[in-house]
Amino acid sequence: GQQLNQSPQSMFIQEGEDVSMNCTSSSIFNTWLWYKQDPGEGPVLLIALYKAGELTSNGRLTAQFGITRKDSFLNISASIPSDVGIYFCAGSSNAGNNRKLIWGLGTSLAVNP
Amino acid sequence: DAGITQSPRHKVTETGTPVTLRCHQTENHRYMYWYRQDPGHGLRLIHYSYGVKDTDKGEVSDGYSVSRSKTEDFLLTLESATSSQTSVYFCAISGGGYEQYFGPGTRLTVT
Repeated sequence: GQQLNQSPQSMFIQEGEDVSMNCTSSSIFNTWLWYKQDPGEGPVLLIALYKAGELTSNGRLTAQFGITRKDSFLNISASIPSDVGIYFCAGSSNAGNNRKLIWGLGTSLAVNP
Repeated sequence: DAGITQSPRHKVTETGTPVTLRCHQTENHRYMYWYRQDPGHGLRLIHYSYGVKDTDKGEVSDGYSVSRSKTEDFLLTLESATSSQTSVYFCAISGGGYEQYFGPGTRLTVT
């Protein structure tokens, strides 16, 4: 099945550093979502984007819906140890009535205190 | 947090036995999904439902069946479990938008 190209695959940073990750698609999307998954738990929705160029923040997290509608970016400012986890992007072209999402393979983030 | 639970949370079963996983929601959401998560593969859609008794296949549906007789419950059945079905299974729900909300997962081991 189709997958999104999510990068980087993993990151190891120092506490206090900023983090950037991105997600690209070969086709146009109308919805971009960013999730975080802690070990042993289900993914949790962080930010939802519905408009090209949209920039949305959730605390220290900021996500952008790319102008081309084929990419999205997630930034984390001033990282802390609890930011550790796997971050997933997901998108939809909004075709059909099934609300199915296309998923990236995730970016694994490790933070050194 | 969305009201979504999964049962059991952990299960060990033998090859060839049937297994049923349950997803229960209290949000009255129309859409429900079953995913499996394996290292290197991310989240892969098994089956989904867009209403009571309305279901369709996802990208990795072989060996799995589902049923939804009530809005709140979505069952995933492995008719004859195989070792390749050892995985973590997540249920998700969605209302009117595209946001999906996930349950805590079921860790299934097939020996």
